[in-house]
Amino acid sequence: RKEVEQDPGPFNVPEGATVAFNCTYSNSASQSFFWYRQDCRKEPKLLMSVYSSGNEDGRFTAQLNRASQYISLLIRDSKLSDSATYLCVVTPLSGGYNKLIFGAGTRLAVHP
Amino acid sequence: EPEVTQTPSHQVTQMGQEVILRCVPISNHLYFYWYRQILGQKVEFLVSFYNNEISEKSEIFDDQFSVERPDGSNFTLKIRSTKLEDSAMYFCASSEEGLGKTQYFGPGTRLLVL
Repeated sequence: RKEVEQDPGPFNVPEGATVAFNCTYSNSASQSFFWYRQDCRKEPKLLMSVYSSGNEDGRFTAQLNRASQYISLLIRDSKLSDSATYLCVVTPLSGGYNKLIFGAGTRLAVHP
Repeated sequence: EPEVTQTPSHQVTQMGQEVILRCVPISNHLYFYWYRQILGQKVEFLVSFYNNEISEKSEIFDDQFSVERPDGSNFTLKIRSTKLEDSAMYFCASSEEGLGKTQYFGPGTRLLVL
């Protein structure tokens, strides 16, 4: 089983749409959770950390369910500039708590 | 805003040659990392470095790889004898000390081994 699994995508949505990405992780001891964004041929950039209580940053809402080992990202009112690959990322508790484990990513294409 | 820088942006080399990829982490950061991303695949952890030594390395980081912080600013990844399968984008990252601290990535070096 992959350590971090994401929706395969791509998601093609019109501007203004709401889109949700899902992610599951296999290591129950995972400690920290993030969503990163990666534009084509660019470096990953942190979009937001994910907290147990859920958190929101503008149009973006992240949720974490530790019991189900499930993470989600909701994007409301999609913009053309949201087009990118969204990476679900976890860090393990053991073996180096700062190592980032990446999912393969879900590609989002927002069209006019 | 402080950022991680990497040089070169692109490197083409012949199989069997040695390459050195260079990174300048954010100045007050204490943890340094290398990741790689083969075209079309996910980002993979290679190695983390703290207090002038490797704190963790992945199975990918075998004896042909080494890291060094030769001075107070640079952090390098050396591949001694490159293979075709080493062709990838190599990202350097740095973070402050502490659990869950954000890792900031450099723009990457695209390595092509012929």
